Amino acid sequence: QSALTQPRSVSGSLGQSVTLSCTGTSGDVGRYNYVSWYQEHPGKAPKLLIYDVTKRPSGVPDRFSGSKSGNTASLTISGLQAEDEADYSCASYAGSYTFVIFGGGTKLTVL
Amino acid sequence: EVPLEESGGGLVQPGGSLRLSCAASGFSVSSNHMTWLRQAPGKGLEWVSIIYANANTYYADSVKGRFTISRHNSEDTLYLQMNSLRPDDTAMYYCARARGYYDSAGIFSISFFVDWGLGTQVTVSS
Repeated sequence: QSALTQPRSVSGSLGQSVTLSCTGTSGDVGRYNYVSWYQEHPGKAPKLLIYDVTKRPSGVPDRFSGSKSGNTASLTISGLQAEDEADYSCASYAGSYTFVIFGGGTKLTVL
Repeated sequence: EVPLEESGGGLVQPGGSLRLSCAASGFSVSSNHMTWLRQAPGKGLEWVSIIYANANTYYADSVKGRFTISRHNSEDTLYLQMNSLRPDDTAMYYCARARGYYDSAGIFSISFFVDWGLGTQVTVSS
């Protein structure tokens, strides 16, 4: 199964909102509500931001929100802050044979 | 405090072996579904392997037959034995807890990964 498709890079200005996309197929993103998003800063452990498409773990600011339409999931970050500059990866369950597939990651630059 | 700490990475020649370890603190490895994931340079994350709480194990096709996941219950440590290593196995390797849901047939669907470690670098090169 191919990786999920994410834009290589996205940029936004401080205080603005950005939306990161994650496109899969009817066999993964479109079939299961098990999409998750991770934030990666260099030298740090990846951090879970969103799970089950829209749910936020405790401690994650409500500036981060997730959604899904068809085969595409989205992560919206509102009120951009400097510390949001990072790589963001999406993942989806893809069945009991493939298990989980990830996107290639999006580098977010905060201007 | 980092709940998971990986170790054992390094430089190895093609065809060689390495054993990665992942020490857990604050929870029991045997009571959780534990996974290994990796990220090659310039690439996205890739799920590698899982050991369920019931000890069943599964692997990505890319490592099946070469990698073995295991755990030491009393020491709360997860392992990944990697044999017949290839240059395309070069990556940062992470361990993490997997969370998800069982359906009515008892099949577990992985929903997300929590408590990632900082990773350990594996480089396969001559």
